Amino acid sequence: AQSVTQLDSHVSVSEGTPVLLRCNYSSSYSPSLFWYVQHPNKGLQLLLKYTSAATLVKGINGFEAEFKKSETSFHLTKPSAHMSDAAEYFCVVSMKTSYDKVIFGPGTSLSVIP
Amino acid sequence: ETGVTQSPTHLIKTRGQQVTLRCSSQSGHNTVSWYQQALGQGPQFIFQYYREEENGRGNFPPRFSGLQFPNYSSELNVNALELDDSALYLCASSLIGYEQYFGPGTRLTVT
Repeated sequence: AQSVTQLDSHVSVSEGTPVLLRCNYSSSYSPSLFWYVQHPNKGLQLLLKYTSAATLVKGINGFEAEFKKSETSFHLTKPSAHMSDAAEYFCVVSMKTSYDKVIFGPGTSLSVIP
Repeated sequence: ETGVTQSPTHLIKTRGQQVTLRCSSQSGHNTVSWYQQALGQGPQFIFQYYREEENGRGNFPPRFSGLQFPNYSSELNVNALELDDSALYLCASSLIGYEQYFGPGTRLTVT
């Protein structure tokens, strides 16, 4: 069975400090992995994606994530948090079956303290 | 902006009624997926349409149905609305096998 675990439901950081949002996945297939961000009352925006190329993936707004197959992890990081980063973040697994099977994690709410 | 649009933005319906939500795909995309996002939760996959055919479905009852049109726009229909159907409904378009781009969603409230 496929699943996504986001280890923290809520993360709070001070502005200018690093951000780490943790994600572990379980998949019988070779998955594609994504991080999406959702600001209040907005749709989902793609931050970055891993599709079996480089294991360190760079995304928009200074975010990056590292795929570690041995640890089945895909943690999201950013060196320095901005106030505008406050949002809900979703780790997503996608597997190509008869359709694009997409499973969302439960989400991590990021707060940035001025 | 992803180029994916949804209408209406907000909708209030009464239990037992029927509702139709609409989605316009990003240009060039041939696949549409629908999700239900309850308050405080991650999106749950409802179904996916590829070239006007449903090719995948999540754990939702048959009263959730859909259509995809030749221009790849799509509708989500929900019959016999229940209070638990209150949620944000998200549409995502893509090329089959590639990342999905989401619209802003339709907020459905069932009273």
